[in-house]
Amino acid sequence: GAGVSQSPSNKVTEKGKDVELRCDPISGHTALYWYRQSLGQGLEFLIYFQGNSAPDKSGLPSDRFSAERTGGSVSTLTIQRTQQEDSAVYLCASSLSRVNTEAFFGQGTRLTVV
Amino acid sequence: AQSVTQLGSHVSVSEGALVLLRCNYSSSVPPYLFWYVQYPNQGLQLLLKYTTGATLVKGINGFEAEFKKSETSFHLTKPSAHMSDAAEYFCAVGGFQKLVFGTGTRLLVSP
Repeated sequence: GAGVSQSPSNKVTEKGKDVELRCDPISGHTALYWYRQSLGQGLEFLIYFQGNSAPDKSGLPSDRFSAERTGGSVSTLTIQRTQQEDSAVYLCASSLSRVNTEAFFGQGTRLTVV
Repeated sequence: AQSVTQLGSHVSVSEGALVLLRCNYSSSVPPYLFWYVQYPNQGLQLLLKYTTGATLVKGINGFEAEFKKSETSFHLTKPSAHMSDAAEYFCAVGGFQKLVFGTGTRLLVSP
């Protein structure tokens, strides 16, 4: 596609429910990132996929968070048993190659846990 | 491991004044350095980047940054602030390792 696409753009869920956030990177981009941005905060790194290498999961805040990337393209971030502190904007970005010369960001998914 | 430090979570300037947003990095390999801007309720977009070559790089909207290896810095400047420059600015380091972002600096521009 022309850019990084994320869906849904907004998600309201009840505490304790599971949610799935989707990211469609730019076609051909081998690197894919997930970040979290809480209100008034910076970008918190969550997970990094690069080609066929094992993902860097070092930023996932708890075992309730997981992500996968199927076929080297679409990625899904799953949050199980959501908590109110999970409320944030979740940003996805992709980059063309292993050498990260530029990352392109999606518009994000705003998650609200009530 | 790479890291980025942005000094000042908020910077306030008057319209027409110099903008200076500070970024220092730590990297064990030659870094690629980036500045991104996030306007209210929008995603991040690239302002400028340094990969190799000329250490003074120019970006969109009149911004520029200079890579200073000896100071491990990549400060962002603009000679004259405009009201439309009010936004959040993020410095990042990348290259052969994953992109790492600073905590961001919110630029406030007053008339």
